[in-house]
Amino acid sequence: GAVVSQHPSWVICKSGTSVKIECRSLDFQATTMFWYRQFPKQSLMLMATSNEGSKATYEQGVEKDKFLINHASLTLSTLTVTSAHPEDSSFYICSARTVLAKNIQYFGAGTRLSVL
Amino acid sequence: TQLLEQSPQFLSIQEGENLTVYCNSSSVFSSLQWYRQEPGEGPVLLVTVVTGGEVKKLKRLTFQFGDARKDSSLHITAAQPGDTGLYLCAGLGNTGKLIFGQGTTLQVKP
Repeated sequence: GAVVSQHPSWVICKSGTSVKIECRSLDFQATTMFWYRQFPKQSLMLMATSNEGSKATYEQGVEKDKFLINHASLTLSTLTVTSAHPEDSSFYICSARTVLAKNIQYFGAGTRLSVL
Repeated sequence: TQLLEQSPQFLSIQEGENLTVYCNSSSVFSSLQWYRQEPGEGPVLLVTVVTGGEVKKLKRLTFQFGDARKDSSLHITAAQPGDTGLYLCAGLGNTGKLIFGQGTTLQVKP
C-alpha cells in the first residue's frame, strides 16, 4: 500500500522556538495533503488542507501565521509551528491522497510535539 | 454541516467478548472508512465501504454500510488484547475532506 513518511516522530523544544515537521509520500504523488492535530484519546481535528503549488486552506480557528504549511512538491509538505508555546504541545498527523482516489487518505505515523 | 456520531466512545471488555461500534449520520456519504490507531502512531486504514448494504469481513472484524449510506457499524467477534486501540470511522464529505467520528477507545483485557 501507499506509504507516507512523517518526520520527526518526536520533538521537544523550548518555548519561543519554531519546529518544522515533514510529510512525504514515498511511492505516489500526493496532489493533496492534510494536517491534523490530535489530543489524547480523541479524534483527529483537521487543521489545514494543502494542494501542491498553492496556498494552504486553513480550518476555522487555526492561525495560519502560527502554523505555516508549504506543499512545494507532489511528494512533500511541511508544517512549521512558529514561536511554539506549551499549549501547542500535541500529536500532529499528516495524510496524503491522490487525485484518483479522493476517498482514501494515507496517514503518516504522527509527530509528538512537546514544548517546554 | 455533515457530522458522524460514533458510539460508544469508550469500551472496556474481557478477552473473548463480542462488541459493536456504531457510526451514524443524518447525511449520506459516498463512502465510509474505518481506521485503527495505536498510541503514538497514525491511523491505519482497515476497510472502505462504498455500496449501501455492503458487508465486508476482515478476519474477526465485520463492517457494514447502511442501506441508505448514512450509517456504518464495526463488529468484532471474540475480541483479543491485540484489538486494543482507537477505532475511527470517517466519511468523505461534500467538501472533499474526510469527516471523522469522535473515535472509540477499545480496551480488551486478557
